[in-house]
Amino acid sequence: QSALTQPASVSGSPGQSITISCTGTSSDVGGYNYVSWYQHHPGKAPKLMIYDVSNRPSGVSNRFSGSKSGNTASLTISGLQAEDEADYYCCSFTGIILVFGGGTKLTVL
Amino acid sequence: QVQLVESGGGLVKPGGSLRISCAASGFTFSDYYMSWIRQAPGKGLEWVSYITTSGSYTNYADSVRGRFTISRDNAKNSLYLQMNSLRAEDTAVYYCARGMRAGCNWFDPWGQGTLVTVSS
Repeated sequence: QSALTQPASVSGSPGQSITISCTGTSSDVGGYNYVSWYQHHPGKAPKLMIYDVSNRPSGVSNRFSGSKSGNTASLTISGLQAEDEADYYCCSFTGIILVFGGGTKLTVL
Repeated sequence: QVQLVESGGGLVKPGGSLRISCAASGFTFSDYYMSWIRQAPGKGLEWVSYITTSGSYTNYADSVRGRFTISRDNAKNSLYLQMNSLRAEDTAVYYCARGMRAGCNWFDPWGQGTLVTVSS
């Protein structure tokens, strides 16, 4: 199972919005509404930000939103804040196993 | 609060074995699927394995199938990963993560991780 494809890096200024894409195939992203997104600050535990494509866990800011079109899922962060600077990973359940994206480093300028 | 604490990481020689553990607290451990996920130095996250609530079903990434075994002790609120025939490419921080009550579509929360280094 190949890793999902994410851009290596994205950047934005405080207050702006950014979108991170996550491209898979019809066997993973496109075939199931089981895409999740994780925020990872180095040295800390990864944190669930979005599950089942577009649902936000309790306690996660509504500045974070998720969507999907075909084989590509997206994470959008609006009103960028300095604390959003981190690595972001998408993940898809394929019905049998799970596969992560390669990760995207978000830099807040 | 919900907490997962990994332990047992360390330095092991190629071909060697190691068992890492995850102690769970703050929730009914036996009600949830559990998973191991790893991150090699400078690399991204890689799902390793998951186990159902009773432990009756497990699944593995191709990279570890046949070498790693996931297990759980619901009486001790603990998750384990037995790692055999270790290779240099298994060097990583290993995270324990909680799945769902009836599946493993996502992981929440995660532990802080334990470092496993495979080197001669």
